[in-house]
Amino acid sequence: GQSLEQPSEVTAVEGAIVQINCTYQTSGFYGLSWYQQHDGGAPTFLSYNALDGLEETGRFSSFLSRSDSYGYLLLQELQMKDSASYFCAGVYNQGGKLIFGQGTELSVKP
Amino acid sequence: DTEVTQTPKHLVMGMTNKKSLKCEQHMGHRAMYWYKQKAKKPPELMFVYSYEKLSINESVPSRFSPECPNSSLLNLHLHALQPEDSALYLCASSQDWADTDTQYFGPGTRLTVL
Repeated sequence: GQSLEQPSEVTAVEGAIVQINCTYQTSGFYGLSWYQQHDGGAPTFLSYNALDGLEETGRFSSFLSRSDSYGYLLLQELQMKDSASYFCAGVYNQGGKLIFGQGTELSVKP
Repeated sequence: DTEVTQTPKHLVMGMTNKKSLKCEQHMGHRAMYWYKQKAKKPPELMFVYSYEKLSINESVPSRFSPECPNSSLLNLHLHALQPEDSALYLCASSQDWADTDTQYFGPGTRLTVL
């Protein structure tokens, strides 16, 4: 199958660091993307990992380990505006097909 | 310009109506997508177009009919929908089929079927 698992919700305080994990099924798997979606808004692309290792983009970093079928999104120096749903999404079949995890709702508290 | 536009923003229709959703992008992207999203759920892939040809149909009921008139436009024709089809319909685009990891989403059309 082609499915991804992530925690349903995470709570953290402003200024803290939070890690959102994602495990995926490997059949046809090509790479792992992360998207942010604010309430009432559209999903917005954050990062993509096709190879093992860490990708850093400002306060956000994403990691992939193919041997463990696992990835994570790391958010540093949390701000209130980071409160949103975060989706990991697997690229399958080398293109065309992006399958989303169930989403993690991040609440950032003051 | 990294914008994908969708019209209308909201749509209410009866089960016997026929309506269309429209999506437009001017980024020169050659892959376009339709997703359905229910509240508190992830986007579910419905259709993928690559170079104006339908490449993926995720076993979507025939009451949903996609159309790609040209490389910038994507339509979704709706007919004889059911109340359970009420959802947010998202359009997205990417540079190419192979760049599906990085998609640009429109704001969506919120559809209510009565």
